[in-house]
Amino acid sequence: DGGITQSPKYLFRKEGQNVTLSCEQNLNHDAMYWYRQDPGQGLRLIYYSQIVNDFQKGDIAEGYSVSREKKESFPLTVTSAQKNPTAFYLCASSTSWREQFFGPGTRLTVL
Amino acid sequence: SQQGEEDPQALSIQEGENATMNCSYKTSINNLQWYRQNSGRGLVHLILIRSNEREKHSGRLRVTLDTSKKSSSLLITASRAADTASYFCATVQISSGSARQLTFGSGTQLTVLP
Repeated sequence: DGGITQSPKYLFRKEGQNVTLSCEQNLNHDAMYWYRQDPGQGLRLIYYSQIVNDFQKGDIAEGYSVSREKKESFPLTVTSAQKNPTAFYLCASSTSWREQFFGPGTRLTVL
Repeated sequence: SQQGEEDPQALSIQEGENATMNCSYKTSINNLQWYRQNSGRGLVHLILIRSNEREKHSGRLRVTLDTSKKSSSLLITASRAADTASYFCATVQISSGSARQLTFGSGTQLTVLP
């Protein structure tokens, strides 16, 4: 069953904590992306990676960090430096800058 | 930065009617894509239209692109209640570097009433 998975589906974080969101794909895609979506809004790009061991900042990278040690995996860490982390986080992958395939998302809530 | 802006923000129609959503963008693009998102779910790619194409069809979907006006429209014909979702346009810009950003608009919320 090919696709892109995200875990957990729901995540609760206390203020001051770092949390890591998982994203895995078995589509053999080179490129992976992380987006943030706020209620009633579009998607904003946090980070993207076009190949293993390389990644680039998107429009709203402050307070976030990523790694790309394996082609299949692109975890996102939301650090305590992110002032307003409550949002819906979406991971996607693609073979190029063509259509992207999205995971089901992780809803992060800060308590 | 929001490259694409959809219009209207919300649209409510009866089942069987056609739904038209518009997208405007600001800079030159390589291609424009439309995505659908059901509430609380990930996005699903619907259709991609290249900058040198003017119209594209896929089932009940028809997309047009006018690069001179920097706008695109998505038409869903004979709508069904299951078409209720948010629809986003996304553009791939032509940039000077090797990386090309995919930038999403704020979306149109379509409600199809049975």
